[in-house]
Amino acid sequence: NAGVMQNPRHLVRRRGQEARLRCSPMKGHSHVYWYRQLPEEGLKFMVYLQKENIIDESGMPKERFSAEFPKEGPSILRIQQVVRGDSAAYFCASSPNTDGNQPQHFGDGTRLSIL
Amino acid sequence: AQSVSQHNHHVILSEAASLELGCNYSYGGTVNLFWYVQYPGQHLQLLLKYFSGDPLVKGIKGFEAEFIKSKFSFNLRKPSVQWSDTAEYFCAVKGGTGGFKTIFGAGTRLFVKA
Repeated sequence: NAGVMQNPRHLVRRRGQEARLRCSPMKGHSHVYWYRQLPEEGLKFMVYLQKENIIDESGMPKERFSAEFPKEGPSILRIQQVVRGDSAAYFCASSPNTDGNQPQHFGDGTRLSIL
Repeated sequence: AQSVSQHNHHVILSEAASLELGCNYSYGGTVNLFWYVQYPGQHLQLLLKYFSGDPLVKGIKGFEAEFIKSKFSFNLRKPSVQWSDTAEYFCAVKGGTGGFKTIFGAGTRLFVKA
């Protein structure tokens, strides 16, 4: 079992609806990263969060996408008014700190399909 | 901009063949390098990492990788692949001018024929 828990594993939405993806990091990890993986493409960095803070959201689309990591509870990636192009696998990763030699631990991902 | 290039998108091998997957990066400064594997339907798992010392790194399941600083490369190798190695492999780079971000390559899908 992956220590990073993501849910749901699969999410189907119609165009215009909202999608909420959840990620609980590994125990003891306070750094969370979100990535998007499109078919035949690698993982694209979206956002990096620590508890209650967004550290870097340079990979997030400017509109419709937001992320949070509250003091209590999982990190949430929220996509408003979804479009077909949002269909992808979204992976969450966590690490205990940002030391260069610390790898990130990944969850199983949420596969988002837009009808 | 920082980038990671993986040379082959798809590789097909027979069991017992040798494997080498290429990875090049464009970064400044000290970097940390990783190879991850993603088996079908599963999450990414760390195969091996390099952050200092011996540039030849041994990982799990018989994989190894060599960091060649002058070539900005970190190629993954395995002398004899098995059917169970069928998966997607991602090279990743962290640090240097990219800071804390981990930048991933596009991945290489390996299919090993039994």
